[in-house]
Amino acid sequence: GEDVEQSLFLSVREGDSSVINCTYTDSSSTYLYWYKQEPGAGLQLLTYIFSNMDMKQDQRLTVLLNKKDKHLSLRIADTQTGDSAIYFCAETSTSGTYKYIFGTGTRLKVLA
Amino acid sequence: DVKVTQSSRYLVKRTGEKVFLECVQDMDHENMFWYRQDPGLGLRLIYFSYDVKMKEKGDIPEGYSVSREKKERFSLILESASTNQTSMYLCASSFGTGTSSYEQYFGPGTRLTVT
Repeated sequence: GEDVEQSLFLSVREGDSSVINCTYTDSSSTYLYWYKQEPGAGLQLLTYIFSNMDMKQDQRLTVLLNKKDKHLSLRIADTQTGDSAIYFCAETSTSGTYKYIFGTGTRLKVLA
Repeated sequence: DVKVTQSSRYLVKRTGEKVFLECVQDMDHENMFWYRQDPGLGLRLIYFSYDVKMKEKGDIPEGYSVSREKKERFSLILESASTNQTSMYLCASSFGTGTSSYEQYFGPGTRLTVT
């Protein structure tokens, strides 16, 4: 079945760039998403990319999609302590079920 | 702003009790979802509903049931709570098909402990 994988932890220093990676198996993915979960809260959509795009930039966030390798990344420039959270990668497929497949989440810790 | 609310932030129940988790959304969304979140496992879909009185099993429906009598409300029911159902439960909603994306809006979660 479909699978989405992420590394569990990432630690960076404040001001550095963070890169969170995700791989997925469903070649029919339509949209790929990045969600952020702050402590004690639900998930909030950060950004998404349509599968026919290679890159999307939104202020400090850059999403790169390599469809051939089924690899998605989220780069956060000038990482701040407020960026400390769990980041989830998710995808939906063209099957039209609007179901998400979520990754395990990457816990980003930003060191001051 | 879209709002998804869940009836409790924290809940402690005893083994064997029947547990109701309520979720309400105010954006007239067709789709609603129940997930559980466990460390290292991410979010796993329990049930979802794409219309009133309609429901479909997700990846881990065993031990759970759901009810959607009104469009804005989606309830998760643990018929007989067990300790392995101790988890964070997240509700989400989204518009139906034909939209530009399938963004899901999440509630704050209910942390359920079964003792």
